[in-house]
Amino acid sequence: NAGVTQTPKFQVLKTGQSMTLQCAQDMNHEYMSWYRQDPGMGLRLIHYSVGAGITDQGEVPNGYNVSRSTTEDFPLRLLSAAPSQTSVYFCATLQGPDYGYTFGSGTRLTVV
Amino acid sequence: AQSVTQLDSHVSVSEGTPVLLRCNYSSSYSPSLFWYVQHPNKGLQLLLKYTSAATLVKGINGFEAEFKKSETSFHLTKPSAHMSDAAEYFCVVSPSYSSASKIIFGSGTRLSIRP
Repeated sequence: NAGVTQTPKFQVLKTGQSMTLQCAQDMNHEYMSWYRQDPGMGLRLIHYSVGAGITDQGEVPNGYNVSRSTTEDFPLRLLSAAPSQTSVYFCATLQGPDYGYTFGSGTRLTVV
Repeated sequence: AQSVTQLDSHVSVSEGTPVLLRCNYSSSYSPSLFWYVQHPNKGLQLLLKYTSAATLVKGINGFEAEFKKSETSFHLTKPSAHMSDAAEYFCVVSPSYSSASKIIFGSGTRLSIRP
């Protein structure tokens, strides 16, 4: 049982490049989300999905796109990377209100 | 509106002494409350959760937390710190499942353990 798998673990991009951060889960959780973590700011919600075909914006959605074609996968796309997007990105799933999140191990992204 | 405040950005204790990490919350609804731990370069792991059952909640690795509605607090404690407890700790408030997007993370408390 792998839980939540994120790839890649590390990435360096040049300003203006695009890329996709992958997130896959094998727990059949309907709710999936993407967070970014910056020093002193906790975790901030970027986008989330309550099921296949349904996505919505979180607190800091600008510069990011998501789609949810299957229950298992929830990729995060950076359209045109900017240095302000340098961060650690976490994918998380939620089984229900009494269970808490299951987090992936994160992707450390640097935009130069 | 809801919010969560972790009162200390950094706590340092000696090994074998008690740990107290403080968290206050504000919520219009009866919230679910969680504590997560993040070791360096790792993802977040659930320590414990409060979901309107017993007010004293026991978690993994000897941690526990007490929900105090009158004080709107959910402080995390451990009787005796271990070197392996050194990590970042996050308090999280969640209003209800229907508003999962409203889950709010505190800014974190870094726990250091002195030998």
